[in-house]
Amino acid sequence: NAGVTQTPKFQVLKTGQSMTLQCAQDMNHNSMYWYRQDPGMGLRLIYYSASEGTTDKGEVPNGYNVSRLNKREFSLRLESAAPSQTSVYFCASRSGGANEKLFFGSGTQLSVL
Amino acid sequence: EDQVTQSPEALRLQEGESSSLNCSYTVSGLRGLFWYRQDPGKGPEFLFTLYSAGEEKEKERLKATLTKKESFLHITAPKPEDSATYLCAVQARGGADGLTFGKGTHLIIQP
Repeated sequence: NAGVTQTPKFQVLKTGQSMTLQCAQDMNHNSMYWYRQDPGMGLRLIYYSASEGTTDKGEVPNGYNVSRLNKREFSLRLESAAPSQTSVYFCASRSGGANEKLFFGSGTQLSVL
Repeated sequence: EDQVTQSPEALRLQEGESSSLNCSYTVSGLRGLFWYRQDPGKGPEFLFTLYSAGEEKEKERLKATLTKKESFLHITAPKPEDSATYLCAVQARGGADGLTFGKGTHLIIQP
């Protein structure tokens, strides 16, 4: 009964380094999302994937890339990390039907020095 | 552009003291309004989805209501374990996927 699993939980990078945040869901959901959460800013959508094989930009996509590897997995890549990307990152998947909702992972706290 | 404004930013109550949190929204056709609870160091946890004006949903000490311009989260006789940040979000009909979130209300219930 894992739901949405994110790795790693914490990461410290130097400016210019690259890394990939991993996300997997076991609920057979079609749609998956990446959000970032900053103090005083609320949650902002980075990228989303409505189905396997498709990805679209959200509100703040610059500096990020995503891959929908299969129906379960949706990864977020920082090619050249910047201090402005210091944030908490959340992955989510969405259930459909009459009572749709987002299920969130526990987050990745990323610091870029 | 969709917008969500939550008030107050922070609220401190005594145990048993009922109150309401507000969520005002601007959206080009509402598909759904969502309430989430977030505890420190954790991801948001789903509470309610409301779809049309006049709709109400309840869960334990929480009741969510919806009008055409705002939603309220009423907390009746709260307990310390209700302390958390409460997030409101909207999804527009026919627009890009994903939710637009407010900045949240940080609620503290003192014993």
